[in-house]
Amino acid sequence: AQSVSQHNHHVILSEAASLELGCNYSYGGTVNLFWYVQYPGQHLQLLLKYFSGDPLVKGIKGFEAEFIKSKFSFNLRKPSVQWSDTAEYFCAVTNTGGFKTIFGAGTRLFVKA
Amino acid sequence: EAGVVQSPRYKIIEKKQPVAFWCNPISGHNTLYWYRQNLGQGPELLIRYENEEAVDDSQLPKDRFSAERLKGVDSTLKIQPAELGDSAVYLCASSLEIGQAGELFFGEGSRLTVL
Repeated sequence: AQSVSQHNHHVILSEAASLELGCNYSYGGTVNLFWYVQYPGQHLQLLLKYFSGDPLVKGIKGFEAEFIKSKFSFNLRKPSVQWSDTAEYFCAVTNTGGFKTIFGAGTRLFVKA
Repeated sequence: EAGVVQSPRYKIIEKKQPVAFWCNPISGHNTLYWYRQNLGQGPELLIRYENEEAVDDSQLPKDRFSAERLKGVDSTLKIQPAELGDSAVYLCASSLEIGQAGELFFGEGSRLTVL
């Protein structure tokens, strides 16, 4: 069965620290990959996505993610976090055959000012 | 552009009572999803509609949950009777295309508490 694993449930960083959130998935076929973010009091929204092409994708607010097919991973990175990045981050995978999107359990990021 | 609209935002009921949630997707979005998000977990798909057809309801507990999208636009998710374990946030999402694996646009969710 398809599954998505996020390595950290809670992360606390100081401003200007670098961020890397891990995401691994289990599915042998072709997938589309997403990171969604939920800021406090807001709805889930897309941060970035990978469909094909360059495995290093850039999203909004300075975030980027790298798809490593051999490792079934799609880790999210940001070189220098800001207090406003405090949010919950969800990795999601959609198999392009069945169009079913599976979400990870989420990582709550708290950035100290 | 208006986003996905859900109501109510919050609902508190006693167990065995019925409850219904409503969703209006982004105009022109043909695919509509209902997800359930339990505390500390990611969203889990309950049902996916393409226009008015439920194309994936394999995760919908059909003994107590029902959903409809009669005219292929807005949708209602119903629970009857509600159980304690149904306490969760019910999320509606829509996407533009049918048969694609693209971006989901979410509403703010309906938080259900069953006492």
